[in-house]
Amino acid sequence: SQELEQSPQSLIVQEGKNLTINCTSSKTLYGLYWYKQKYGEGLIFLMMLQKGGEEKSHEKITAKLDEKKQQSSLHITASQPSHAGIYLCGADNSGNNNDMRFGAGTRLTVKP
Amino acid sequence: EAQVTQNPRYLITVTGKKLTVTCSQNMNHEYMSWYRQDPGLGLRQIYYSMNVEVTDKGDVPEGYKVSRKEKRNFPLILESPSPNQTSLYFCASSLFGGSGNTIYFGEGSWLTVV
Repeated sequence: SQELEQSPQSLIVQEGKNLTINCTSSKTLYGLYWYKQKYGEGLIFLMMLQKGGEEKSHEKITAKLDEKKQQSSLHITASQPSHAGIYLCGADNSGNNNDMRFGAGTRLTVKP
Repeated sequence: EAQVTQNPRYLITVTGKKLTVTCSQNMNHEYMSWYRQDPGLGLRQIYYSMNVEVTDKGDVPEGYKVSRKEKRNFPLILESPSPNQTSLYFCASSLFGGSGNTIYFGEGSWLTVV
């Protein structure tokens, strides 16, 4: 069973709108990774968060890790068609990357 | 260019015919791993390797073998493929096997077993 829950499973937004994707774990996260995937292609690394309360931004994408290190959110501001794809969160529950878990992914569609 | 290279990218094979999916990284990474991605199940780890000659099972190792004779290569072997191994496979690597290391993924290998 998935130990990382992502929500929503899919999301359709109008271009220019903001959106948020959530990733929740029942365990403490030693490292939380966000990746973007075009359908059937490789995963592109977006950001990694390690510390409780940490927040990172790259262009119009911001990721946060809560203080308890059990939930992360990915926020996209003023979405564009280029943001479309599948967003995956991955987490290290052990501290040594050999217990990596991934969420099932959130499929984002951005309508022009 | 730093990359993780998988081959083949696409393969259709028949049940029982042994196959190998190769994975190579040019970043001198110690840690490498294999995942499979299935609809609704996300990415699941098959095997991982902390360093040369050190491999261990992930969540779904049944039906797979791996070897790590050299640092750069981590092939995935399906001795007797079955239809339930039809999936999208990803190889990944990171500098070390510890949190805080960016994990790089290959482009993926589509495998269909008929």
